[in-house]
Amino acid sequence: AQSVTQLDSQVPVFEEAPVELRCNYSSSVSVYLFWYVQYPNQGLQLLLKYLSGSTLVKGINGFEAEFNKSQTSFHLRKPSVHISDTAEYFCAVSVGSGGGADGLTFGKGTHLIIQP
Amino acid sequence: KAGVTQTPRYLIKTRGQQVTLSCSPISGHRSVSWYQQTPGQGLQFLFEYFSETQRNKGNFPGRFSGRQFSNSRSEMNVSTLELGDSALYLCASSLGGVVEQYFGPGTRLTVT
Repeated sequence: AQSVTQLDSQVPVFEEAPVELRCNYSSSVSVYLFWYVQYPNQGLQLLLKYLSGSTLVKGINGFEAEFNKSQTSFHLRKPSVHISDTAEYFCAVSVGSGGGADGLTFGKGTHLIIQP
Repeated sequence: KAGVTQTPRYLIKTRGQQVTLSCSPISGHRSVSWYQQTPGQGLQFLFEYFSETQRNKGNFPGRFSGRQFSNSRSEMNVSTLELGDSALYLCASSLGGVVEQYFGPGTRLTVT
C-alpha cells in the first residue's frame, strides 16, 4: 500500500519570501502525484499534478513541484509567497493507471502561514 | 460550467441516527468519489462510483454506504451514527479517473 508523508505540519513564511513544502511518498509501483490546496471552509483545489514526463511540474498561482524518483519526493515550491497563499496544502498519491477506482491517498497536510 | 455541489453544507445529528449526504457532479462527469476529513485521521478515501457501479471502497465499516444514480448524482449514507463520524465529507467528480478530480465544498457533519 502507498503512503504519503508531509514532513512539516506548519510552515511560517514572510510575505514575498520563497517557500518549500516537503512531501515524501512510499509505493512499490509507479505513481501519480498531486498537490491540492484547501482554503478555510472550502473544498480542495488542484494546484498541480505529475503523471509522467518532465519531472518539473508547473501549476496554478505560481507554484511548481519537482518529482524525484530516487528520493521518492514531490516537494512544492513558490519563489515569492503572498498573503493569499495562506491555506492548508495536501500532497496526494494514486497508484496504477490513475483510473480512479483506487482513490487518492493524502498526506496529513501542511498549514502555510504567511506573515506580513 | 457549474462546479461540484454538495447538500446540505452543514448537518447536526444525534448518535444512533442515520444521515444521507448528496453530491451533484460537474455535468458530463461520470465518476464520483467520497472522502472523509477529520483533524485526527486527515483525508481518507471512502468509495468511488462510476456509471452507477461502486468500483472501490476504502477501509470503513459497513455503516458507510453509497450509491450513484443514472444522472451521476451520488449519495452517501451513514447509519447508526457515532461521535467519531463527525467530519467534513467531501465528494469529487471526474470524467473517469483521479488525474483531474474536482472537489465540492463539503458537508460538515456534527454528531452529538
